[in-house]
Amino acid sequence: KNQVEQSPQSLIILEGKNCTLQCNYTVSPFSNLRWYKQDTGRGPVSLTIMTFSENTKSNGRYTATLDADTKQSSLHITASQLSDSASYICVVSLYSGAGSYQLTFGKGTKLSVIP
Amino acid sequence: KAGVTQTPRYLIKTRGQQVTLSCSPISGHRSVSWYQQTPGQGLQFLFEYFSETQRNKGNFPGRFSGRQFSNSRSEMNVSTLELGDSALYLCASSLVNLEHSSEQFFGPGTRLTVL
Repeated sequence: KNQVEQSPQSLIILEGKNCTLQCNYTVSPFSNLRWYKQDTGRGPVSLTIMTFSENTKSNGRYTATLDADTKQSSLHITASQLSDSASYICVVSLYSGAGSYQLTFGKGTKLSVIP
Repeated sequence: KAGVTQTPRYLIKTRGQQVTLSCSPISGHRSVSWYQQTPGQGLQFLFEYFSETQRNKGNFPGRFSGRQFSNSRSEMNVSTLELGDSALYLCASSLVNLEHSSEQFFGPGTRLTVL
C-alpha cells in the first residue's frame, strides 16, 4: 500500500470554480509535506511546503492545509483557470533513520479545467 | 537567473548498456536530487547529493548511482540497463538539503528509452 494516497485520481471542473484535492499519508515521522504542480511534459513546480507544525500555507490562489493528527493534507484551488490543468502531486519527506531522509510521492491528481 | 538544466533531453539505449545523465543546478544551490518518473509508479526518489556527498537515498538497486562535483553539477549513472528503466529522469536543486523546508526547482528531465 502506498504510504501517500491522493484523491481523487482525476477531476474535471469548470473554469472559475473552486476545488479541493486530498492527500492522506501514513509515513511518520516526517519533516515536511510539499505540493507540486506538474504540467504535461514538464518538471514539477513547487506550490507549498509545510512543516509538521504548520497547518496552512498559501501561494496565490493555492492554499494547502495540514492536519498532522489525522495525517491529512488538502490543496484548495480558488477561482480555477485553464492554466491550472495539470497533475498535482503531494510529497512527504520521511525520516528514514541514521540521519537520512527520503521523499515519498503520491500518484497525483490530474485536474482538468474546462471553459 | 538560469534554471536547472539537464542533458541530454532524450536518449535511446539498448538493454545491457549503461547511461550517464547530467544535471546543472541553479547557481548557488548545493543540493541536487534525482527522481524517476514512470506512468505506472509515478515519481520516485533516487538520491540526493549535497556538497559532493550522498545525503539521502531511495529504494533503487545499486545499478543506479550518482555523484556531485565541486561546482554542484551532478551526474547519474545507470548500468546494465533494463527495459523497465525507461522513464523520465528528473533532477531538482535547492539551496540546502532535503530535510529542510527549502524549495526545490526541477529541470525539464531526460527521457530515457531502453530498447
